[in-house]
Formats: sequence, C-alpha cells, structure tokens
Amino acid sequence: GEDVEQSLFLSVREGDSSVINCTYTDSSSTYLYWYKQEPGAGLQLLTYIFSNMDMKQDQRLTVLLNKKDKHLSLRIADTQTGDSAIYFCAEKGYRDDKIIFGKGTRLHILP
Amino acid sequence: DAGITQSPRHKVTETGTPVTLRCHQTENHRYMYWYRQDPGHGLRLIHYSYGVKDTDKGEVSDGYSVSRSKTEDFLLTLESATSSQTSVYFCAISEMASGGAANTGELFFGEGSRLTVL
Repeated sequence: GEDVEQSLFLSVREGDSSVINCTYTDSSSTYLYWYKQEPGAGLQLLTYIFSNMDMKQDQRLTVLLNKKDKHLSLRIADTQTGDSAIYFCAEKGYRDDKIIFGKGTRLHILP
Repeated sequence: DAGITQSPRHKVTETGTPVTLRCHQTENHRYMYWYRQDPGHGLRLIHYSYGVKDTDKGEVSDGYSVSRSKTEDFLLTLESATSSQTSVYFCAISEMASGGAANTGELFFGEGSRLTVL
C-alpha cells in the first residue's frame, strides 16, 4: 500500500532556513501536500504541489518535488518562533480518494 | 474557517462499551474522512466517505465502522472499545481535486475528539 516517510524531529536556529524532507511510495500520486499542526489544534494546509510540477514558491515556503526519486521537501526561509509546529507530508494517489499522511516532523526553533 | 464540528470533544469510557463520534459539516463537501492521531504514528486514515452511503476503508479500519446517511454527518462507531483505541480522532472534509482544476483536494480538519478507553 501507499506509504509516506519523514523524519520525526528537526531543530533549527531562529533566522536560519528549515528543510523538512519526505519520501513516498505511490508513483501515481497526483497531489502532494504539506500541513502544519500547532499544539492542541487540527491540521491546516500550508501548501501543495501538483505532480507535474517540480517546484513551487509561496512567500517563505519553497516546495521541491523530485518525482523520479519520489522525494518532496519543504523549505522555510528565515525560520521564526511561530513556525514551531509539527509538519505533515501527505499524498493523494490517482487511483482512489485516500489522502495518506506521514508521521509528522516536529520543528523546534532554537533561540 | 470551514464549518466542521466534532462531538464529543472529550470522552472517557470503559473497555467493551460502544462509542460513537460525530462529525458535522455545513460546507456541503462531498468527501469526509476519519483519522486517528497517535504519538509515533502520526495521522492514520480509518475510513472515508465519497458520498451519502458511499464509504471505504482506510489504513486502520479494524474495530471501527462508519455511516453517512446524509451529506452533513459522518459517524464513526467503535462497537466495543479497547484500550488500543485511546487516541485523538480527527474528522476532515474535502471537495477533492480533479486533476488540473482549481480544487486542490485540500482537507479541512475539525478540532479533534480525545477518546480515552480505560
């Protein structure tokens, strides 16, 4: 079945760039997503990329997609304390309506 | 914010008792999902619905059933709760992507229901 993998923790100094990586197994993925979860809250969509794109930029966020290697990354420029959260990678396959999430990467901001 | 309401928000129950969680939406979205979130496991799909009376299993459907008798409500039932079902349950809704169209399949999440099974 489909699987989405990402590292569980990342520590970054305030002002530096954060890069969160994700790999997925479903070669028929159509959309890939990054969601953010703040403490005690549900998830909110940060950004997404369609599978025929290789890069998308949205203000401080840059998403890179390497479809050949099934690798997705999220870069947050000039990381701020408000970026401290859990970031989830997710994918939607072509064959069905399931959206499968990774385990989430907890981003910790160092002063 | 998308109009999604989960109830109850918190529940403590005993092993072997039935439990029903309700997700109610006011957005008229076609797709509804139930996920559970556990430390070390992230978010795992339990069941989802792609229309009234149309449901399908997710990654961890054993021990759970769902029903969708009308567009706005999606019920998750634990027929006989076990301690392994202690978790935070999230409902999500979506209109779903249609390849290249404006709709990106973005999920809108409820605030979660914390269930403790003793």
